[in-house]
This record gives sequence, structure tokens and C-alpha cells, in this order.
Amino acid sequence: DARVTQTPRHKVTEMGQEVTMRCQPILGHNTVFWYRQTMMQGLELLAYFRNRAPLDDSGMPKDRFSAEMPDATLATLKIQPSEPRDSAVYFCASGLAPMPLGQGIAGFSAFFGQGTRLTVV
Amino acid sequence: EDQVTQSPEALRLQEGESSSLNCSYTVSGLRGLFWYRQDPGKGPEFLFTLYSAGEEKEKERLKATLTKKESFLHITAPKPEDSATYLCAVRGGGFKTIFGAGTRLFVKA
Repeated sequence: DARVTQTPRHKVTEMGQEVTMRCQPILGHNTVFWYRQTMMQGLELLAYFRNRAPLDDSGMPKDRFSAEMPDATLATLKIQPSEPRDSAVYFCASGLAPMPLGQGIAGFSAFFGQGTRLTVV
Repeated sequence: EDQVTQSPEALRLQEGESSSLNCSYTVSGLRGLFWYRQDPGKGPEFLFTLYSAGEEKEKERLKATLTKKESFLHITAPKPEDSATYLCAVRGGGFKTIFGAGTRLFVKA
């Protein structure tokens, strides 16, 4: 049963500490999204990758957040230093986007992981 | 700017009482409109993708429809297990996918 796997599921950390969240996309998927969900803002898109290359990270606070894909099976979202306002559930989602990009982008489904619940105290 | 607005925020139904959820959107060059279901403490679960106005998709008691400005998720004879938050999302240029705030559905037995 293919699924997106996120670790850790829960993280409590002190303000100022570094936090790293990991995501294993579904094998074969070429697009990865990072979202943050809070009661106030709902699901916010932070960044997304296609074929491991970052396409858009305009949703992230650049001074403290960074997202990478070291290889096709791992995506990471790092916060350094963390702040209480970063407390949220962080979701990773993956999908299989059609190739090549230039021939038009059909909608493709993205499948979500279970999320990492981050609490910064 | 791309926008997605869902209504109502919350909906309470009796079991068997059919209704519809609305998703209004503004997007440059719609590539796809998506419906997800989210249960408490879990990630969104994919339900449907709609690509063009006039398209319809069905799955069990759910049917999604699409016009040029909005989408509806019709729930026919709902059951308590249909209680969840239903999220609508749109993808415009590139892969940027924007979500609405969701509709919380409560179905009482």
C-alpha cells in the first residue's frame, strides 16, 4: 500500500532550537509539496519540488525555513531557529506530474502524509 | 491572485439528509480542482480531480461538479461516517496548489 511517510509524527521543542522534518514520498512520484496547517490559516503551501528541483518556496519565511530533496526518496523541511508561531501541523504530499512540462500541465493528484505536529514552547 | 472560498464553514445534517458544499475559486488558467476529505489528526485524503467546466465525478454518496467559477460537492443520504472536513483546492499555472479553509460536516444518526 503506497503512502507518503512523515517523521517524526510529533515534535516538541524549545524556542530557538533547530527542527528537521522528513518526508518519504510515494515511490516513483516526481513532485513533492510541503504544507503547514493551523486553525487560523488552514493549509498553506510552503514549497514544492519537481524532480527534486525547488520550483517555488515563496510561501516560506526565508530567514528561518529551508526545504531540500537530497534524493528522490527524501524531502526535508528545516526550521532554524524555531519560534512559537511555527507551531502547526506540517504536511508533505507527493504526486506524479506529467512530463514534459512544456506540453501542458494536466491536473494530477497529490497524496498526503499523516503530518508532523510541531509544538514550539 | 488565486483564491479559494468554501461555504458553509460548518454544516450539520441528519443522517439521510442530502446537501451540497460549495467551493468558489479564482485562478489563472485552471489546471485542476481537487476535493479532499480530512479526518481529525490525519492528513487530507484525496477524493476527486475535476479538470473542466461541466465535468462530474462520483464516488459512493459523493458527487463533485464543476463550473467556470465554482465546484459543488453533493452528498446524498449521508451517514455519520461521512462526518469530516472537506477541503477544496485549485491548481493554476505551474504546480502551485491553493486550498480553501474547508467545510466541517457533521452527520448525526
